[in-house]
Formats: sequence, structure tokens, C-alpha cells
Amino acid sequence: DTGVSQNPRHKITKRGQNVTFRCDPISEHNRLYWYRQTLGQGPEFLTYFQNEAQLEKSRLLSDRFSAERPKGSFSTLEIQRTEQGDSAMYLCASSGPGQGYEQYFGPGTRLTVT
Amino acid sequence: QKEVEQDPGPLSVPEGAIVSLNCTYSNSAFQYFMWYRQYSRKGPELLMYTYSSGNKEDGRFTAQVDKSSKYISLFIRDSQPSDSATYLCASLNRDDKIIFGKGTRLHILP
Repeated sequence: DTGVSQNPRHKITKRGQNVTFRCDPISEHNRLYWYRQTLGQGPEFLTYFQNEAQLEKSRLLSDRFSAERPKGSFSTLEIQRTEQGDSAMYLCASSGPGQGYEQYFGPGTRLTVT
Repeated sequence: QKEVEQDPGPLSVPEGAIVSLNCTYSNSAFQYFMWYRQYSRKGPELLMYTYSSGNKEDGRFTAQVDKSSKYISLFIRDSQPSDSATYLCASLNRDDKIIFGKGTRLHILP
């Protein structure tokens, strides 16, 4: 199975610490998306890449958040100085070129900030 | 007003019944509509997508879009306990971002 993978699956951190998540997309997909999902809500868009270029960032993505996709393959999402409000499921998805309607999601990283 | 509205449920139906899940959307420019299934503490799984108005069938699942009323539906025939999950309707905006509804929690009772 060569689906989207995410690591770690769970992360518990103390407020103020930095965390980094990794996403490995489906190998032939050039688009990679990050979403955040809180309890009882649908996923909300954070940012996306086409190859290594970050094309758009949501207003939800404060200055404490940064995402990279250095070689157009895997991506990392870093949150600096975590706050309790950052507790959520962080989801990664990928799609082929021009196929944003067919995004495949990974299992997510559940972040708990204590 | 959220761009995609969905009743969060929960919706409980007996096994074998036909399930009807519905959403509305506000942006008439939306052309692609998707349904995702999400089990507890898992990532969303793409069930199917449709383009513009019309029906699309895949096994026990049928997706229906009525652009004139901005209404999106998913029908599940012969529902099974394994269909118990949260169902997310979604639309793709012009920037290729998915706009999700809140999801409807579905329980299929054995």
C-alpha cells in the first residue's frame, strides 16, 4: 500500500515547545496539502504545495507555523511555541496535477498541547 | 454563512435501511463535489466525487448533485454496521482547496 503516511501519529507536548510533523505523499502526486481538524468540525485548509513551491497559506496559519517541502517529495509542518489552541488533528493529503477534487488523506497526526 | 453546510447528526438507522445524507453549499462557482468517510481517529477516506449536476453510483453508494438548488446528497443502500462513521461532504473551490462540511455522524444499528 503506497498511500499517504504521516508521522508521528500522536504527539503530546507542553505549551511553549516546538513540534514537527512529517508527511509522505503518494509517490506520483505533485500536490501536497495540510489541513487541521478539531473535534466536531470538518478539516480546514492550512497550506499547499505544488512540487516544492508553497502556493497558498490560510489565514489560520499564524507566524508560528511553517511548512516545507524541500525536494518536492515529503513535507514537514512545524509549530513553534505551541499553545493549547493548537491541539487538533493535523492531516496531510496529496493529489495529482490538476486533480484537487481527488485528494487522498493520510491518517493524521493528533497533537495534544498540555 | 459557511460555504458548505451539513447537519452533524447523529443519524441512527437500522441495518439494511437506505441512508440519505445531505448538504447545501453557497458558492455557485463550485463545480466538484466530494464525499469522504471518516472513522473515529482516522483520516478522511475519499468515497467518490462528482462534477457539476447529476448522479454517480459506486456499489451501494450514490452521490447526487443539484446545482439549481445547491444541494448535495449521498445515498447508501443496504446499510451495514461497518458503514457507521462520520460522512463529510465537500466542494472544491477555484483555488483547488477543499471546503468541508462539519460531517454527519452515522450509526447503523445491527
